[in-house]
Amino acid sequence: GENVEQHPSTLSVQEGDSAVIKCTYSDSASNYFPWYKQELGKRPQLIIDIRSNVGEKKDQRIAVTLNKTAKHFSLHITETQPEDSAVYFCAAPMYSGGGADGLTFGKGTHLIIQP
Amino acid sequence: KAGVTQTPRYLIKTRGQQVTLSCSPISGHRSVSWYQQTPGQGLQFLFEYFSETQRNKGNFPGRFSGRQFSNSRSEMNVSTLELGDSALYLCASSFESGGYEQFFGPGTRLTVL
Repeated sequence: GENVEQHPSTLSVQEGDSAVIKCTYSDSASNYFPWYKQELGKRPQLIIDIRSNVGEKKDQRIAVTLNKTAKHFSLHITETQPEDSAVYFCAAPMYSGGGADGLTFGKGTHLIIQP
Repeated sequence: KAGVTQTPRYLIKTRGQQVTLSCSPISGHRSVSWYQQTPGQGLQFLFEYFSETQRNKGNFPGRFSGRQFSNSRSEMNVSTLELGDSALYLCASSFESGGYEQFFGPGTRLTVL
């Protein structure tokens, strides 16, 4: 099955600086890579995703980059703000003989924005 | 559109009992996936239902089962509860199967005493 490794487990940055979270995956068939943000006591929220036919996608202050050759993808947050403090999860689909089934998640990165 | 809803939000059960959790997807979504979230293991895939059929199942014992109804609402059942089943159970709905663009519900917090 799919294996997704996420680093770092904790990331502390000064407000206004950039944050980068990296994930690697094992299944070369993976073609979809979402990122979720989970604030304390709340549900995971889909913040950005990328399909394997593009190398980068941006949405205001967040961007995701994908390197299919190296099997890794990254989340970039620029001009960080206090409300960016949360746990961020990367994920990739797992595959069986019938196609993609559900998501395998990384262990999460606790992002702390220091004022 | 209304978001994904789950009931109940909180449950307290004792070992050996069984429990049924419910998930109502976003209108028009036919896929419902279930995940278990714990501090130690993170988010783990339980199973996915699409058009009333279970597509795949994660690495969980047979005590965990589910079903999906014709209106896409899904239920998850855990029998013979164990202490280790204490977790946040999240469902996620999407238009297509396979984990694409999944939107999560608020979760059901299950505590097994």
